[in-house]
Amino acid sequence: TQLLEQSPQFLSIQEGENLTVYCNSSSVFSSLQWYRQEPGEGPVLLVTVVTGGEVKKLKRLTFQFGDARKDSSLHITAAQPGDTGLYLCAALPDSNYQLIWGAGTKLIIKP
Amino acid sequence: EAGVAQSPRYKIIEKRQSVAFWCNPISGHATLYWYQQILGQGPKLLIQFQNNGVVDDSQLPKDRFSAERLKGVDSTLKIQPAKLEDSAVYLCASSLVEYGELFFGEGSRLTVL
Repeated sequence: TQLLEQSPQFLSIQEGENLTVYCNSSSVFSSLQWYRQEPGEGPVLLVTVVTGGEVKKLKRLTFQFGDARKDSSLHITAAQPGDTGLYLCAALPDSNYQLIWGAGTKLIIKP
Repeated sequence: EAGVAQSPRYKIIEKRQSVAFWCNPISGHATLYWYQQILGQGPKLLIQFQNNGVVDDSQLPKDRFSAERLKGVDSTLKIQPAKLEDSAVYLCASSLVEYGELFFGEGSRLTVL
């Protein structure tokens, strides 16, 4: 069974702090996506990474795909209350084309 | 461009009753997905359509769940009879290409009492 483990499950920090959340697996992926889901809404795509070692930046968010394409991280600089939400990673394994999802990291940024 | 439309937003039913959810994907999106999201968990794929054909329904509890996409556009997901553990948000998503960016609707929140 292929699993995507996200950590931490829950994170509550003050506005202005930095944070990193992780998405890990023992499987190799052809691509990995990060989504943010706000309460009462569906997930919204933030980024897709496809190349081992790839780094993508989206304003204060930095996404990295592991060299071996088994893991990914999301770093937020100077977090703001608007960053609050559930961060989900979803990945496409090399071995079969069935998108798998992590359980998410629930992030709360306190003003 | 209109997004993915879902209805109803909320539904409360008694166990053993039936319920149906409707989804209209983004125009031109051939791939349509139904996900179940239980509170505190990631989405779980129930069924994936490519046009009006089923690509993957391996995790659909077929004894009680059914889904159709007859004309390759909108889709209906039905649960009959509902169980307490079916309480969840049912998310519909569509994508232009298979496993490209998924666009999600707002979801239909089901509570089974």
